[in-house]
Amino acid sequence: RKEVEQDPGPFNVPEGATVAFNCTYSNSASQSFFWYRQDCRKEPKLLMSVYSSGNEDGRFTAQLNRASQYISLLIRDSKLSDSATYLCVVRDLQGGKLIFGQGTELSVKP
Amino acid sequence: DTGVSQDPRHKITKRGQNVTFRCDPISEHNRLYWYRQTLGQGPEFLTYFQNEAQLEKSRLLSDRFSAERPKGSFSTLEIQRTEQGDSAMYLCASSLFAQETQYFGPGTRLLVL
Repeated sequence: RKEVEQDPGPFNVPEGATVAFNCTYSNSASQSFFWYRQDCRKEPKLLMSVYSSGNEDGRFTAQLNRASQYISLLIRDSKLSDSATYLCVVRDLQGGKLIFGQGTELSVKP
Repeated sequence: DTGVSQDPRHKITKRGQNVTFRCDPISEHNRLYWYRQTLGQGPEFLTYFQNEAQLEKSRLLSDRFSAERPKGSFSTLEIQRTEQGDSAMYLCASSLFAQETQYFGPGTRLLVL
């Protein structure tokens, strides 16, 4: 079983749609969680951290369910510029290395 | 530009050749990480440094791979006797401390023919 699992998609949605991505992680002791965004042939960039109480940044909302070891990302009113791959990430407790999911590809169409 | 830089950005080599990549982290960042990403997958951890000390190596890092960070600043990743399976994007990231945000460089895209 992979440490971080995501549905690879692709998700094809029209502009303005709301889309949700899900992710599960295997290490119940994990403490730090993130969503990174990766554009085609570019490096990953931090989109947002995920906090236990849930957090929002504009159109983006991240949720964490520790009991189910489940992380989600909700994008509201999607824009063409949101088209990218979204990576669910867990940080290793000891060394700080990042453990990535496979990534979920999003394509927003006009 | 004060971000993480990597050189070269692209490398094409023949099977069996050695290649070396360089990463310059953000100034004063103590932690430096190497990851590898193949098509359709998320990045996978290879190794990391705390200053000049290499503290962890992934099982992915076979004995053909070696990484150094001699003065605690830039780092090099060398692959000896390259194989076609080494074709991937090699990403470097740095952070101030272990629990701080990691910033990624643009990556070095390797193609082994």
